Amino acid sequence: QLQLQESGPGLVKPSETLSLTCTVSGDSISSSTYYWGWIRQPPGKGLEWIGSIYYSGSTYYNPSLKSRVTISMDTSKNRFSLKLNSVTAADTAVYHCVLWFGYLLSTPFSWGQGTLVTVSS
Amino acid sequence: QSALTQPRSVSGSPGQSVTISCTGTNSDFGGYDYVSWYQHHPGQAPKLLTYDVNKRPSGVQDRFSGSKSGNTASLTISGLKAEDEADYYCCSYTGSYTFNYVFGTGTKVTVL
Repeated sequence: QLQLQESGPGLVKPSETLSLTCTVSGDSISSSTYYWGWIRQPPGKGLEWIGSIYYSGSTYYNPSLKSRVTISMDTSKNRFSLKLNSVTAADTAVYHCVLWFGYLLSTPFSWGQGTLVTVSS
Repeated sequence: QSALTQPRSVSGSPGQSVTISCTGTNSDFGGYDYVSWYQHHPGQAPKLLTYDVNKRPSGVQDRFSGSKSGNTASLTISGLKAEDEADYYCCSYTGSYTFNYVFGTGTKVTVL
């Protein structure tokens, strides 16, 4: 069974870079079956898609975050990562890593439990 | 793009049925039937309950059913159980670009 687990610092200073990793178990992230990505939820606010990546390296980013986001894959460690630079308090959120099936991009299919990242000095 | 509107909370007794609504605009649903519902117990991974309005992934009980009429989608939980107490979110794929979604505001289901 595919499982996703987020990891990374829980506290980031304003203007710095938020870095998170999602380790995947149960299948290879190099499989053409899946897309991988990130969705976040600020406290008391709604869910927001951040971006996604395919095994080929193709990336897709939310236009509102595109200038600050990079998603990459490390196939040797079966994990993928999120970098969000120039963070502000508005980037404080629970960040979930997410899987999509290639034939069902309409549906974020499987989620990690999420990790809270707080932006504060 | 605003969030889809859900009731803040619904409640029911064990064995009863509850229905959660999810209301948006034409552009939120994009003319598609790409609505999904998630159950989220705090601290756990959100779980997909239904997708494409009324399809269920393998392993999801048939007590959970989705529907859609116009610009309102609904999730019905039949035979309510204590374990169903959780937060529920709807999600619509708008189709305006790949991975463009609008999510619901979330509903807390309480089992009395």
